[in-house]
Amino acid sequence: DQQVKQNSPSLSVQEGRISILNCDYTNSMFDYFLWYKKYPAEGPTFLISISSIKDKNEDGRFTVFLNKSAKHLSLHIVPSQPGDSAVYFCAAHFYNQGGKLIFGQGTELSVKP
Amino acid sequence: GAGVSQSPSNKVTEKGKDVELRCDPISGHTALYWYRQSLGQGLEFLIYFQGNSAPDKSGLPSDRFSAERTGGSVSTLTIQRTQQEDSAVYLCASSPGQGLAKNIQYFGAGTRLSVL
Repeated sequence: DQQVKQNSPSLSVQEGRISILNCDYTNSMFDYFLWYKKYPAEGPTFLISISSIKDKNEDGRFTVFLNKSAKHLSLHIVPSQPGDSAVYFCAAHFYNQGGKLIFGQGTELSVKP
Repeated sequence: GAGVSQSPSNKVTEKGKDVELRCDPISGHTALYWYRQSLGQGLEFLIYFQGNSAPDKSGLPSDRFSAERTGGSVSTLTIQRTQQEDSAVYLCASSPGQGLAKNIQYFGAGTRLSVL
């Protein structure tokens, strides 16, 4: 039972344009969400997070949007740069269940010059 | 070191052998996690240690898998009688466990396990 889903395994975007990565979840007990970025042969790196009481969080070129009624979140990268090419994972944290995270399958972003 | 350190970076073993994977968390982090990533899949939670509390072992796939954390720091993940389906990248993460960023996890580079 996949509680966090990233339905697009890959995404290709032109440099300078917007990249939109999507994530859906099924459990309303998640209380915050995170995005991680992963380069080959490296561990995931934390990018940005959002609490379930917010609908938007912005950090530089990265913005995460949360739509609780739709159980959907998205990561926007504007403008996209070739160095953003990586696999992006969304992750969700259960309320009151310690720190473990439930990860989606990942979306591989390719930003072409 | 400044980050989470895992060793070995690669491990090739024969089916049926036992393996031990090591994780050195960030100094001062009280929480430590193990995940694994199989080919083309997301990260699968295995086990979680928080301070002196009993670990959350709910993600361990079978009794062949075990982990310990000695002195609240270094952790070892042991897989006994390895099977081919155990082949994956095993990732360790740590988090501060307190404060505003208490649950943001910082990952090591992983151990790539190949069971022949």
